[in-house]
Amino acid sequence: DAKTTQPTSMDCAEGRAANLPCNHSTISGNEYVYWYRQIHSQGPQYIIHGLKNNETNEMASLIITEDRKSSTLILPHATLRDTAVYYCIVYSNYQLIWGAGTKLIIKP
Amino acid sequence: DGGITQSPKYLFRKEGQNVTLSCEQNLNHDAMYWYRQDPGQGLRLIYYSQIVNDFQKGDIAEGYSVSREKKESFPLTVTSAQKNPTAFYLCASSMGTGGPYEQYFGPGTRLTVT
Repeated sequence: DAKTTQPTSMDCAEGRAANLPCNHSTISGNEYVYWYRQIHSQGPQYIIHGLKNNETNEMASLIITEDRKSSTLILPHATLRDTAVYYCIVYSNYQLIWGAGTKLIIKP
Repeated sequence: DGGITQSPKYLFRKEGQNVTLSCEQNLNHDAMYWYRQDPGQGLRLIYYSQIVNDFQKGDIAEGYSVSREKKESFPLTVTSAQKNPTAFYLCASSMGTGGPYEQYFGPGTRLTVT
C-alpha cells in the first residue's frame, strides 16, 4: 500500500509557483521522500528527494516538516510544460512505493 | 547518449501467448526494475534485480518472469498465466538499491492483449 496521500488534482497559473502537498504520516526515520513526475504516456522523470532537510535543485524545492509527516514540492515558476502527474513516494526496503499522484494542470 | 531503451513502444498479442518485453541500459547501473502501470494509477513493482544472475519478486510477480544474464539487459516475459496483461510496462535502473538512488526510467511499452 502507498505510504503517501496527495490531492487528486490541482491547477496553477503559468508563471506562478506551484505548491504540491503530500502527507506521509507513517514514514520511518530512515525512509526518504522522493518526487517524480510523469507526462502522459512517458516514463516518470526524477525531480528531487530528501530525508530531513529541505532540498533544492534546478527543477524544484522540497520542504519537509520537522516531524517529517508531510512535505511540499515547489515549482518556482510553473510553465505549460510542467503539466503532468506528480508522485510523492516513500523509499522503503529498497523499493519506491507509488501512490496515484497529483495531476497538476498549468493554465495560461 | 546514456539511457534506457525499451522496445517496442506498442505491442499487440492474442490471449494465451507469451510475450517478452525488452529493456536495455547503458548507464552501467547495477540495479534494474520492472513496473506495471494501469490507467489512473501509480506504478507497481513486478520484479527487480540488484546484480547479474539475481532477481527478486516485487508486489505483483505472478504471471511474469525475468532474467538478468547481462548487466545491461533485463527482459520481462508476460506469460499466459497473467490474468490481466494489458497495461503500460516501465523499466528502470539505478546505481544500486541500498541507498537513496535515483531511478531512471525508459519510455515504456504499452501491451494490449485481446
